[in-house]
Amino acid sequence: GAVVSQHPSRVICKSGTSVKIECRSLDFQATTMFWYRQFPKQSLMLMATSNEGSKATYEQGVEKDKFLINHASLTLSTLTVTSAHPEDSSFYICSAGGLVIETQYFGPGTRLLVL
Amino acid sequence: GENVEQHPSTLSVQEGDSAVIKCTYSDSASNYFPWYKQELGKRPQLIIDIRSNVGEKKDQRIAVTLNKTAKHFSLHITETQPEDSAVYFCAPMAYNFNKFYFGSGTKLNVKP
Repeated sequence: GAVVSQHPSRVICKSGTSVKIECRSLDFQATTMFWYRQFPKQSLMLMATSNEGSKATYEQGVEKDKFLINHASLTLSTLTVTSAHPEDSSFYICSAGGLVIETQYFGPGTRLLVL
Repeated sequence: GENVEQHPSTLSVQEGDSAVIKCTYSDSASNYFPWYKQELGKRPQLIIDIRSNVGEKKDQRIAVTLNKTAKHFSLHITETQPEDSAVYFCAPMAYNFNKFYFGSGTKLNVKP
């Protein structure tokens, strides 16, 4: 199956700093990537959908100026959490869409802890 | 976005018993219905899916049934094993929107 990686797998940062998370499709080209956030014991919440070369589409309630998404190539999308605060601490998961529209391949996730 | 509900939120069964989880959705345009299994701290894994032109699909111990009229679909696991213990999510999708909205999840505990 297709492989999606995320980096870093775990990050601890101080409040007020920015954190960048990378999502890469290693062996296929992903025209669409999705970013999710998952708080402990909760479901995956879709944050935004990014298409290569265009601006991301954010879900209602997600601050686009706080969660910056860039999808510069068919194999890389980045999520930057700007001015992170403790309430941003969560598990962030990306997924990449394959050629078949309903197929999505999940990355292993990034656990963010903001102190 | 689509409203997706799952029931029950937790389910505890004895090894060898069957488990059924139900997912109700609101968008009548939904036409792809997957179930994901997520173990603690791991990524979700697709375990079975069904498309709107099919009413039931089975893969060994796992099956999914779909009722488009009533807008719900269910996950059936037979002969449960301890390794089936995990959180299960449904995530119906409408092709024209190309987005997945996950249900609230069901924590399945299979007691040996």
